Amino acid sequence: GENVEQHPSTLSVQEGDSAVIKCTYSDSASNYFPWYKQELGKGPQLIIDIRSNVGEKKDQRIAVTLNKTAKHFSLHITETQPEDSAVYFCAASKNQAGTALIFGKGTTLSVSS
Amino acid sequence: DGGITQSPKYLFRKEGQNVTLSCEQNLNHDAMYWYRQDPGQGLRLIYYSQIVNDFQKGDIAEGYSVSREKKESFPLTVTSAQKNPTAFYLCASSRRPRDRAYSNQPQHFGDGTRLSIL
Repeated sequence: GENVEQHPSTLSVQEGDSAVIKCTYSDSASNYFPWYKQELGKGPQLIIDIRSNVGEKKDQRIAVTLNKTAKHFSLHITETQPEDSAVYFCAASKNQAGTALIFGKGTTLSVSS
Repeated sequence: DGGITQSPKYLFRKEGQNVTLSCEQNLNHDAMYWYRQDPGQGLRLIYYSQIVNDFQKGDIAEGYSVSREKKESFPLTVTSAQKNPTAFYLCASSRRPRDRAYSNQPQHFGDGTRLSIL
């Protein structure tokens, strides 16, 4: 089955710096890759997602890149702010209705001012 | 506002007791899911349901049961057979895809129930 590895497990940056979180997946049939942000005591919130028919997607300060050949995808946050501090999860799934997401173990991002 | 409501926020279980976690959504989504989250871990799938009166086991279904009698509701029962139930439980839902090329639709999560053992 699918396995998703996420690195690093913790990341500390200064406000205004960029942050990059990387994930690799094992199943070449996976074609949908969402990223979630989870704040303490809350459920994960979808922040951006990408499908395998594109290589990059951007939404303001957040971007995701996908390399299907290498089977890895990355989250890029530019101009980080203290409110970006949270746990970020990557996930992968196949193109099948109702298919569950396979999650990475998360990255705790700390942005200090 | 549309969303997913999980209740209660905190729940305590005694030894040998079954407890039921509630999940209600008003997003008109067809698919619903239950995940378990342990400290420092990603989310792991317990059960999912694509349609009313139908559900499938996920990776860690042992010791859990679900029902899907209504589109809006997908309650999870943690039975006494689940020997390590202490965790954060998350419910999610996703809509029916309009195009087969996009069968995997974004999943939206509730704010979870934290279950502990007394």
